[in-house]
Amino acid sequence: EAQVTQNPRYLITVTGKKLTVTCSQNMNHEYMSWYRQDPGLGLRQIYYSMNVEVTDKGDVPEGYKVSRKEKRNFPLILESPSPNQTSLYFCASTWTGNSYNEQFFGPGTRLTVL
Amino acid sequence: SQQGEEDPQALSIQEGENATMNCSYKTSINNLQWYRQNSGRGLVHLILIRSNEREKHSGRLRVTLDTSKKSSSLLITASRAADTASYFCATVPFMNRDDKIIFGKGTRLHILP
Repeated sequence: EAQVTQNPRYLITVTGKKLTVTCSQNMNHEYMSWYRQDPGLGLRQIYYSMNVEVTDKGDVPEGYKVSRKEKRNFPLILESPSPNQTSLYFCASTWTGNSYNEQFFGPGTRLTVL
Repeated sequence: SQQGEEDPQALSIQEGENATMNCSYKTSINNLQWYRQNSGRGLVHLILIRSNEREKHSGRLRVTLDTSKKSSSLLITASRAADTASYFCATVPFMNRDDKIIFGKGTRLHILP
């Protein structure tokens, strides 16, 4: 089954404790992206990757890191989480050719930073 | 920079009625996409319309695109309780531009029994 998986689905942590949210897709998509969703703000892009070893900042990259060492995986790293990073996070992927196509979203990771 | 802006922010209609949501954007696009999100879940792609298309249908969904007005509308006909969800438009740039895929803040649709 074609899908995007994220882990963990729920996470409660404390300020400053490094964490990683994993994202994996099995569709051989080139493009992968991380979003955060906050009430009243919609979805905002954190980072995206056009392909292996190619990553770029989205609209709200501060406080986050990503890596793309393999095509299927795109982990989101919070080196020193802060309470303002409490949010619902989504990973998404799509194939590209001469344009961006429909994105496939993961189920989301609800993160609470105390 | 915010690109897609949905209107209205929230919409409540009776089951069986049609629901119309609008999306406005600011710069030229390659395509525009509509997504649905059930509460707290991942977004699901509904329909994609390219910049050279004016109208597209998929089941009970009808999407229009007016590039001269930089706007799109999503029409859901004969609404059902299961259509209760948030709906987002996403504007997609041409790949050779630095612009990013931008999601709007969404329209919350509530179908009343």
